[in-house]
Amino acid sequence: QSALTQPPSASGSPGQSVTISCTGTSNDIGDYNSVSWYQQHPGKAPQLMIYGVTQRPSGVPDRFSGSKSGYTASLTVSGLQAEDEADYYCSSYAGSKSFVVFGGGTKLTVL
Amino acid sequence: EVQLLESGGGLVQPGGSLTISCAASGFTFNSYAMNWVRQAPGKGLEWVSTINYSGDTTYYADSVKGRFTISRDNSKNTVFLQMNNLRVEDTAIYYCAKVHFTSPRTYDSWGQGTPVTVSS
Repeated sequence: QSALTQPPSASGSPGQSVTISCTGTSNDIGDYNSVSWYQQHPGKAPQLMIYGVTQRPSGVPDRFSGSKSGYTASLTVSGLQAEDEADYYCSSYAGSKSFVVFGGGTKLTVL
Repeated sequence: EVQLLESGGGLVQPGGSLTISCAASGFTFNSYAMNWVRQAPGKGLEWVSTINYSGDTTYYADSVKGRFTISRDNSKNTVFLQMNNLRVEDTAIYYCAKVHFTSPRTYDSWGQGTPVTVSS
């Protein structure tokens, strides 16, 4: 069982917006602004999409955005495109003992 | 361009040992902490271990503590993961990952991974 809880699946039609949630505890998401989101296509390595809750690395489209409220972080993908279909994982710093914890992943399907 | 190239994965029997490597290029290796993250077949990502930029501080997940050892050779831009007393549940793709410059708990570059299979 993963430390952070994500829905196993999400879907949307091209052009629509979809939001993926990531729920943690006071020991991780609730205590640190160190939430990241990774995209992983089948057979490929993960790719960083969001860090520091809301920051986008260079090269990541501004259709991807992140937010946090309390113990829950969210990734929103606006203007869905076919290439956004992938698995998405959240992560958070969890202190010096647990270090970094991941969510179980959400499979995003573009209908 | 940052490149991370893992090698050394393979098939090993339960209780056996294996050392995997990650050769880095395209950035100032000795300025960044490095990490190993694994992914079991059909499963999610799991942080395994982190080593700081100089190699004198290391961190491990509870699931591998006492069995795995992370190290680095800054003269060769390479990070290693020595895995002892391997278990079936250690079967996974092992990714090497570089930390982000301003967010050290974020991994901004990943290798393609090296598969480790623990089976009799």
